[in-house]
This record gives sequence, C-alpha cells and structure tokens, in this order.
Amino acid sequence: QQQVKQSPQSLIVQKGGISIINCAYENTAFDYFPWYQQFPGKGPALLIAIRPDVSEKKEGRFTISFNKSAKQFSLHIMDSQPGDSATYFCAAVSSGNTPLVFGKGTRLSVIA
Amino acid sequence: DAGVIQSPRHEVTEMGQEVTLRCKPISGHDYLFWYRQTMMRGLELLIYFNNNVPIDDSGMPEDRFSAKMPNASFSTLKIQPSEPRDSAVYFCASSALAGLHYNEQFFGPGTRLTVL
Repeated sequence: QQQVKQSPQSLIVQKGGISIINCAYENTAFDYFPWYQQFPGKGPALLIAIRPDVSEKKEGRFTISFNKSAKQFSLHIMDSQPGDSATYFCAAVSSGNTPLVFGKGTRLSVIA
Repeated sequence: DAGVIQSPRHEVTEMGQEVTLRCKPISGHDYLFWYRQTMMRGLELLIYFNNNVPIDDSGMPEDRFSAKMPNASFSTLKIQPSEPRDSAVYFCASSALAGLHYNEQFFGPGTRLTVL
C-alpha cells in the first residue's frame, strides 16, 4: 500500500531526445508527488513536484504528467542533455510532513 | 545556510567495529530523517525525528542500529557491531513544517560506509 513503483531502472537517451520515467502508486491518500535528482556523490535534491489537482506541471525542460485515475505519474525531460545524467527518484507523501515514500530510482545516462 | 552537514564523508572500518555517523540539520528545521542507499534496495528510510523525538524507527534494520538526537542541531546514527552488509551510503535529511504546506526535504552529502 505504501509502495511507489518506478520504471525503468536505467535509461540511456541520446542528447536532444526525450527521457521518460514512470511511477505508479496504490495509496489513494498520497497527495503530493515530488521528483528528486541525485548526481553521483551527492544527496538527492528536489527537482519538481506536483499535486493531484493538476494533470501537468512544467518547469523548463522538465514536466510531470499526472494521471489520478490510473494512479500514475511520470517525468519527462525534453531536449535531454549530458548534464541531466543522474539518478531520478519519484516520491509520494500523504500528509504535511510525514516521510516521503521513494521509488527505487532510475539511472539516466544522456549520451552525445 | 551551509545545508545539511554530515560527517565523516567516508568511513572504512572492519567488521565488528562500532561506527558513528553524524548529522547537523539545517537550522530551524524540526524534522530529521536518516536514509540508507544501496544499489539493491534503493533509498530506505531508517528513522525520523520531530523536534528531537524519534517518531518512527520501523526502518531500522536491526538492534545493531541506533539513532539519537540530543538537540535540534545534532543527530547520530550508530552501528554496533558493524557488518559487511551494512556497507552503503547513509544520508541525513531535514525539513521544516509550515502549516499545511508540503516541505522539501534537504539531503546532506551522505556518508559512504564500507565495512570490511
């Protein structure tokens, strides 16, 4: 019930391409869905987040698409760049400041 | 603010030894989280504190693990005795409650623990 399932585990994308990472959840009480980005040797950092009252949120090249009925959400990285190479974690939470439930992460490699 | 500070950044120890990891959260944050990251299991929540009080330690793998938060600016995660399977990167994160707003968790740089 508390799990967030993330796929794929790893992803290789050509420079300029679109990277897509998918997450699914079961707990309908979840109402905040952030994505964290982690570079090698660093801690995860918040990238972008969405609440279920909207179906899409865009910040620059990064877009979250949210499908409440399907209990799925995804991260799209447009015009992927080598600097986007990192591990991406989706997460979910069901109240103000209880711990985030993280997906297992996707290692993205953007190659030139 | 310097962000969440963790020490040491790297720790290599031998099986059976005691290991203490340290964390200084961001000033003013009243939640502190300890995570463990491995390739196999991803990012696992071990324990979290609110106002220095442990709220949920159900993620602590065994009695060999213990965590304390003696004050708002310091927390420790101790493993005694350490085992090779404890090798991982341990992260500390902190956040602040602000009414009904969801708040970002700020992660430290992590401590890479290797138990030989």
